[in-house]
Amino acid sequence: DAGVIQSPRHEVTEMGQEVTLRCKPISGHNSLFWYRQTMMRGLELLIYFNNNVPIDDSGMPEDRFSAKMPNASFSTLKIQPSEPRDSAVYFCASSAVRTGGLRQYFGPGTRLTVT
Amino acid sequence: SQQGEEDPQALSIQEGENATMNCSYKTSINNLQWYRQNSGRGLVHLILIRSNEREKHSGRLRVTLDTSKKSSSLLITASRAADTASYFCATDPTGGSEKLVFGKGTKLTVNP
Repeated sequence: DAGVIQSPRHEVTEMGQEVTLRCKPISGHNSLFWYRQTMMRGLELLIYFNNNVPIDDSGMPEDRFSAKMPNASFSTLKIQPSEPRDSAVYFCASSAVRTGGLRQYFGPGTRLTVT
Repeated sequence: SQQGEEDPQALSIQEGENATMNCSYKTSINNLQWYRQNSGRGLVHLILIRSNEREKHSGRLRVTLDTSKKSSSLLITASRAADTASYFCATDPTGGSEKLVFGKGTKLTVNP
């Protein structure tokens, strides 16, 4: 299995631009998570989906952030408009249905820099 | 404060020594997990311990869990330079949610 795939790996954009991050979870996994990691705040859960349905988006910082999961093999996290404080590493992770433990498999991350 | 707080924040040891990292949490849990993150990479799952277990081993890793104290420890024995990474504990709280709650991690440096 290829693992969780994220693209792009690096993104540099100017303030005000739209940014779209992409994630392909591991085949057969039915839960998908978007995290943001910064030195100051550590690893924060932004939103998670179960069977393509958003379950908890309480970590989404504001309306500029949106996430979709149109099918079981693809999800996007969009920031519009982007701001310098959005600079961070964004991780996608997936896990299988709860069977006694929720081991999460992380992608390599997208390093976002907003200038 | 955030559930899943690791201690110490940073740890520097010599190759061959043991490394111990601690994690405290606040609510009831189904299980507790430890992850490793190498610089510039995603987190990698190391080991999971269920709430009814007290100790678990995997290779050079030993994890303990004390639910009465709401704490866990990760011991890496005979450390190697390749163990240099950040280590995070993550709790799976009871209540049916699929969320894990991660701490801020312990940065371990193993000097050759």
